[in-house]
Amino acid sequence: EVKLVETGGGLIQPGGSLRLSCAVSGFTVSSNYMSWVRQAPGKGLEWVSVIYSGASTNYADSVKGRFTISRDNSKNTLYLRMNTLRAEDTAVYYCARGGSSGYLGAFDYWGQGTLVTVSS
Amino acid sequence: SYVLTQPPSVSVAPGKTARITCGGNNIGSKSVHWYQQKPGQAPVLVVYEDTDRPSGIPERFSGSNSGKTATLTISRVEAGDEADYYCQVWDNSRDHYVIFGGGTKLTVL
Repeated sequence: EVKLVETGGGLIQPGGSLRLSCAVSGFTVSSNYMSWVRQAPGKGLEWVSVIYSGASTNYADSVKGRFTISRDNSKNTLYLRMNTLRAEDTAVYYCARGGSSGYLGAFDYWGQGTLVTVSS
Repeated sequence: SYVLTQPPSVSVAPGKTARITCGGNNIGSKSVHWYQQKPGQAPVLVVYEDTDRPSGIPERFSGSNSGKTATLTISRVEAGDEADYYCQVWDNSRDHYVIFGGGTKLTVL
């Protein structure tokens, strides 16, 4: 059974840092491309970042230079390091699984999300 | 950057057909994926590659994509279909970005 479980959210002051984790089971995190998607309160889905099976990465303009996506294959876990946090980064952060064939398509499994609140 | 446009809301009576559109420049040349999100829950994939359904998704959910508009069609709408629906594509025009539409709130009357 495929499962994705996010942890690491919480209340953080503006300018602070936080690391989110997404522990996966039922598949190997390095075999699929994986993304982080966030949703601000009452708003729609916003893509944040992707890491491909080959370990290359990409980021939305809104987080480029502040966020870093990575994975630990030995722990089968995806991460999102978030630095210089702003109030507008407040959102529920979801990890999502993409395909394994190299073709960029849909996200077929999602975690339950973890809430990040940036406030003083 | 590439933009996907969805109507903010669609209303439909139970048993009728709901159509949720997703507009984008030449979207017919892209693969469109659709997600359902109920309050307090994570998104669920309901249609991928324009027309395909993941296992476990009812046949009442179908998709189409041509020209400037992709459409998610929900036949014989049930109260449990009330949710937000999002379309998604990859924008490969610059360095592979994921694009979501703004979402459509489906209300079952």
